[in-house]
Amino acid sequence: DVKVTQSSRYLVKRTGEKVFLECVQDMDHENMFWYRQDPGLGLRLIYFSYDVKMKEKGDIPEGYSVSREKKERFSLILESASTNQTSMYLCASSLQVSGYTFGSGTRLTVV
Amino acid sequence: AQTVTQSQPEMSVQEAETVTLSCTYDTSESDYYLFWYKQPPSRQMILVIRQEAYKQQNATENRFSVNFQKAAKSFSLKISDSQLGDAAMYFCAYRGSEKLVFGKGTKLTVNP
Repeated sequence: DVKVTQSSRYLVKRTGEKVFLECVQDMDHENMFWYRQDPGLGLRLIYFSYDVKMKEKGDIPEGYSVSREKKERFSLILESASTNQTSMYLCASSLQVSGYTFGSGTRLTVV
Repeated sequence: AQTVTQSQPEMSVQEAETVTLSCTYDTSESDYYLFWYKQPPSRQMILVIRQEAYKQQNATENRFSVNFQKAAKSFSLKISDSQLGDAAMYFCAYRGSEKLVFGKGTKLTVNP
């Protein structure tokens, strides 16, 4: 089975800090995604990547950036964390035409 | 752009009974995939069932089955013999030529 690992289950950061959320998948999937999940809003796509060093903006990219230096790793970066970025963050990977495999999520609190 | 609508924010079912979760979608594409994901309190999103649009036969996975009505753009999930472990958020999702699009989810409660 494909495994998608998110490095932290819970994080608490201060406003203005630079925050890195890491995601690693072990099945050579081309595609990787970052979502945030908020009650009543469902999953919203932040950024995605179809290949190494490639990135595309999703629906809500403002305040975020990403890095994909290796195929298996896709990092989400909050350049200057704000309280409205308190949320659940989900990473996923997929092959071209398959469903997504998700990590177990990182609950980020910005204080 | 494609949209996915889940009209039931919450549903409940008695253990051992059957429940149906609704999902409709909007697309102009003819070739696409539809999915139901389950997210229990552990937060892990788990793929429950998948349907290819070109297949007329409804997908089935054990107690989970779908009613796929392509013309009506409807994709409902039926859970038979509901179990306490079925309690979770359920998300309907669409994937065409681009990325996966999710509905806002339905919270399913299973009463003992």
